[in-house]
Amino acid sequence: GQNIDQPTEMTATEGAIVQINCTYQTSGFNGLFWYQQHAGEAPTFLSYNVLDGLEEKGRFSSFLSRSKGYSYLLLKELQMKDSASYLCAVVDSNYQLIWGAGTKLIIKP
Amino acid sequence: EAGVTQSPTHLIKTRGQQATLRCSPISGHTSVYWYQQALGLGLQFLLWYDEGEERNRGNFPPRFSGRQFPNYSSELNVNALELEDSALYLCASSLGREPYEQYFGPGTRLTVT
Repeated sequence: GQNIDQPTEMTATEGAIVQINCTYQTSGFNGLFWYQQHAGEAPTFLSYNVLDGLEEKGRFSSFLSRSKGYSYLLLKELQMKDSASYLCAVVDSNYQLIWGAGTKLIIKP
Repeated sequence: EAGVTQSPTHLIKTRGQQATLRCSPISGHTSVYWYQQALGLGLQFLLWYDEGEERNRGNFPPRFSGRQFPNYSSELNVNALELEDSALYLCASSLGREPYEQYFGPGTRLTVT
């Protein structure tokens, strides 16, 4: 079966750095997305990785290792507005997005 | 550029009734995806339409169905509503079947009483 694993919840302090991990086992791989979802709102796109390595975009970076079936989202200089759920999704061989259950990130002052 | 729109915003139905949810994708997007998100849970994939055809469906019973119109807008129909169908139904669109990013609409909150 296809499986995406993420921690259920994480807590971090304002101004700090946090890394949210995602491991996957899917039938084929055509890329990995990270989305942010604030409570009661729709998910919004953060990043897309298809090749191994680190993609940096401002305070957010995303890393991919296809051989390990592993990705992480790195958030720097945390702000209170970063409190949200972070969803990892993998594109399988049928171009279907397989979604993780999401990681709820709580930022404390 | 207008984003993905969904209607209605809220929908209240009773058990056994039918619900119809609508979605208009971003102009130029040919793929439409439907997801169910129960309170506090992750996204559950329902249906994927591209160029008017159903490309894939998730692990949901046949009473969940839909279609995509020639203008790429889409409808999700849920027949014989059950209490556990209460959830946020999200529609997303993308440029096509390649792994383009999906843009989400605001969702329809369906409550079954």
